[in-house]
Amino acid sequence: DGGITQSPKYLFRKEGQNVTLSCEQNLNHDAMYWYRQDPGQGLRLIYYSQIVNDFQKGDIAEGYSVSREKKESFPLTVTSAQKNPTAFYLCASSIIEAGLETQYFGPGTRLLVL
Amino acid sequence: QQQVKQSPQSLIVQKGGIPIINCAYENTAFDYFPWYQQFPGKGPALLIAIRPDVSEKKEGRFTISFNKSAKQFSLHIMDSQPGDSATYFCAAISRSNYKLTFGKGTLLTVNP
Repeated sequence: DGGITQSPKYLFRKEGQNVTLSCEQNLNHDAMYWYRQDPGQGLRLIYYSQIVNDFQKGDIAEGYSVSREKKESFPLTVTSAQKNPTAFYLCASSIIEAGLETQYFGPGTRLLVL
Repeated sequence: QQQVKQSPQSLIVQKGGIPIINCAYENTAFDYFPWYQQFPGKGPALLIAIRPDVSEKKEGRFTISFNKSAKQFSLHIMDSQPGDSATYFCAAISRSNYKLTFGKGTLLTVNP
């Protein structure tokens, strides 16, 4: 898991509630990512940020929001607009070395709906 | 549109066998192909990666073979062990946008 921490490990959401997943990295990486993993679906990109105070939508951004106020932190909020939030959420960070990007993943947060 | 197709979905081998996982891509702009290993309840970990100017890369018991003309690449695990049982993902990335595209994963089971 390197220097990427995600909390909490498990999170329960009630109907209509917004919840925020934490992601912190001490690798001094510029870029950070949020993925959603569902069984048989692989990893799908929700949002990504290549620099502080800037972020871009990924393939499945609807119902999610992010912020990038600090280089080390990239929290993800799952809003009430996300109707099917139950999934395993993975945060990653990356660095470009010799023109190649390598992404490193955190341990994940499992979100369950009550 | 699935840009990286991975097969098989699941694979069972005996200890010492050589499981092979295949991936195919469509986007010729992809120029870096990493493989990730994921154990249950954990985040994926980078296993090995290859650039398209290389046809084969070995790291320990793991080998990537790359066929640029066919736009295919594969992972071989030599002398597989029960501890190799995990889900393996191939991926591809283009330097133009630095976004990883993942295959859907292969669940490998190595029986003792």
